[in-house]
Amino acid sequence: NAGVTQTPKFRVLKTGQSMTLLCAQDMNHEYMYWYRQDPGMGLRLIHYSVGEGTTAKGEVPDGYNVSRLKKQNFLLGLESAAPSQTSVYFCASSLGLGGQYFGPGTRLTVL
Amino acid sequence: RKEVEQDPGPFNVPEGATVAFNCTYSNSASQSFFWYRQDCRKEPKLLMSVYSSGNEDGRFTAQLNRASQYISLLIRDSKLSDSATYLCVVTRPTDSWGKLQFGAGTQVVVTP
Repeated sequence: NAGVTQTPKFRVLKTGQSMTLLCAQDMNHEYMYWYRQDPGMGLRLIHYSVGEGTTAKGEVPDGYNVSRLKKQNFLLGLESAAPSQTSVYFCASSLGLGGQYFGPGTRLTVL
Repeated sequence: RKEVEQDPGPFNVPEGATVAFNCTYSNSASQSFFWYRQDCRKEPKLLMSVYSSGNEDGRFTAQLNRASQYISLLIRDSKLSDSATYLCVVTRPTDSWGKLQFGAGTQVVVTP
């Protein structure tokens, strides 16, 4: 039982490049979330999903897209990376109200 | 004003001492409250939920004060391993699917 996993762990991009972050959970959770964490700020919700095939915008969705084609996977895409997207990205999952389980994070630097 | 505010610290605590800190939230209709712990460069992990009557989990005690809109965390008999950033988390009343609002965290450093 791996919980929530994220790939890659680290990535450096140049401005304008694209990439996809993968999140996988093996707990059969319905809800999945993507957050970013920046120094001095709390985690901010980018996008979330309440079930397979559904996605919705969170607090800071601009510049990101997501897909939830399978219940266990939640993908976060950056179509044209910008330096402002340099951050640590965390994926999380939950059964609903209550605690969320987080993945180990992806450290992204955009030059 | 941020929805969830915390003193960033650091709170420097001698090993074995007690430390307590608060978190304030702006939405009086917030329904659920949690404390998460985050170690340096690691993911947040759920420490405990906070119930209306207050609750305890070992050396950790959480309290909720709805009138003044704050929650607190008290750590007794601090251990070196308690050094971490503690994140205050609340849910909005309309978010039935578990959306969380995170504070920026309070750093606790336990010293020998």
